[in-house]
Amino acid sequence: GAVVSQHPSWVICKSGTSVKIECRSLDFQATTMFWYRQFPKQSLMLMATSNEGSKATYEQGVEKDKFLINHASLTLSTLTVTSAHPEDSSFYICSAPGNFGQGNYEQYFGPGTRLTVT
Amino acid sequence: AQTVTQSQPEMSVQEAETVTLSCTYDTSENNYYLFWYKQPPSRQMILVIRQEAYKQQNATENRFSVNFQKAAKSFSLKISDSQLGDTAMYFCAFRGGNQFYFGTGTSLTVIP
Repeated sequence: GAVVSQHPSWVICKSGTSVKIECRSLDFQATTMFWYRQFPKQSLMLMATSNEGSKATYEQGVEKDKFLINHASLTLSTLTVTSAHPEDSSFYICSAPGNFGQGNYEQYFGPGTRLTVT
Repeated sequence: AQTVTQSQPEMSVQEAETVTLSCTYDTSENNYYLFWYKQPPSRQMILVIRQEAYKQQNATENRFSVNFQKAAKSFSLKISDSQLGDTAMYFCAFRGGNQFYFGTGTSLTVIP
């Protein structure tokens, strides 16, 4: 099956610094990727939809300038948390949907990134 | 708008017993897909089972099966012969087009 990787798996940073999280589709092309945030024992909250070659679509309430998303190629999307603060500490998950038009309607998840801001 | 509801925040089951997790959804679409995902302590999302709305037959994957009631918009997951490794969060999910929607999750604990 399709594989999505994320790097890093765990990162600790100091308040005020920026952190970049990479999401890669390893064996397929992903024109779209989703970025989720998950708090402990809660569901996945969609932050934004990343589209290759165009601007990301952010969900209501998500700060575009704080969570910068770049989808520079068909296999790589990045999420940069700028000027991180302790309240940004969370688990971030990326995913890529299968090609709906080709009958692949699954969603493939990365293993997630645990961000801790001190 | 699509919504997915899981009304059981926590459940427990004795090892080797059977447990059913509930999920209801709301949509006006006719062509959609339903999923159950498992999230163990590692937090990697794992696909458990999927169901195409246009199929009347309930999906089955080994010990996992669903009861899909399209008219009632219900999609429950039955786990038979529960194993300790089944302990995890379970999320019901809906896909319509390129949009995915998740339920709030059910935390399942398998008791030895």
